[in-house]
Amino acid sequence: KNEVEQSPQNLTAQEGEFITINCSYSVGISALHWLQQHPGGGIVSLFMLSSGKKKHGRLIATINIQEKHSSLHITASHPRDSAVYICAVLNYGGSQGNLIFGKGTKLSVKP
Amino acid sequence: DSGVTQTPKHLITATGQRVTLRCSPRSGDLSVYWYQQSLDQGLQFLIQYYNGEERAKGNILERFSAQQFPDLHSELNLSSLELGDSALYFCASSVVGDADTQYFGPGTRLTVL
Repeated sequence: KNEVEQSPQNLTAQEGEFITINCSYSVGISALHWLQQHPGGGIVSLFMLSSGKKKHGRLIATINIQEKHSSLHITASHPRDSAVYICAVLNYGGSQGNLIFGKGTKLSVKP
Repeated sequence: DSGVTQTPKHLITATGQRVTLRCSPRSGDLSVYWYQQSLDQGLQFLIQYYNGEERAKGNILERFSAQQFPDLHSELNLSSLELGDSALYFCASSVVGDADTQYFGPGTRLTVL
């Protein structure tokens, strides 16, 4: 069993829809990252969080440490949001680089 | 543009060969991380350097090695290449380490024929 599980694997939405991507993990963590990988391959760090909720523009990330679960929400989705979204966790006590990655959620937003 | 540069962008080579991938971190960042992304394994952490010293090691093969130079740029050396080493190799940097956001480079796509 993977230590970091994401759902769904693939997601197709219509422009304007509210989107939720989920991440569950089985290890103790000190931080969780959400990354966005564009079709061209480039990776952008969206959020790093260890508790509560963070918001940036139309993106919201939440984490529930007790339930070992995080969600990434996209409000008013747009075709430019089409990308692979990757959840990664930093194992508690581990060095920052030693992230454990989920397999990613491929999001396609249709106009 | 993250400020992290990687060269080359693409690399095609043959089995058994050796290649060097280069990474320049963002100005002021002391930590450099290397990751491998293959189709079957997804993203995997390879190794981290902080201010010239190895800080953490992940799933890095013995055929692979890395170093960080005094000017903080880093190189990842891959030797005795196998078909399975074909992947995207990303470098990322952060200011210090554990509490910082990582900024990713554009990646080097390695194809081993």
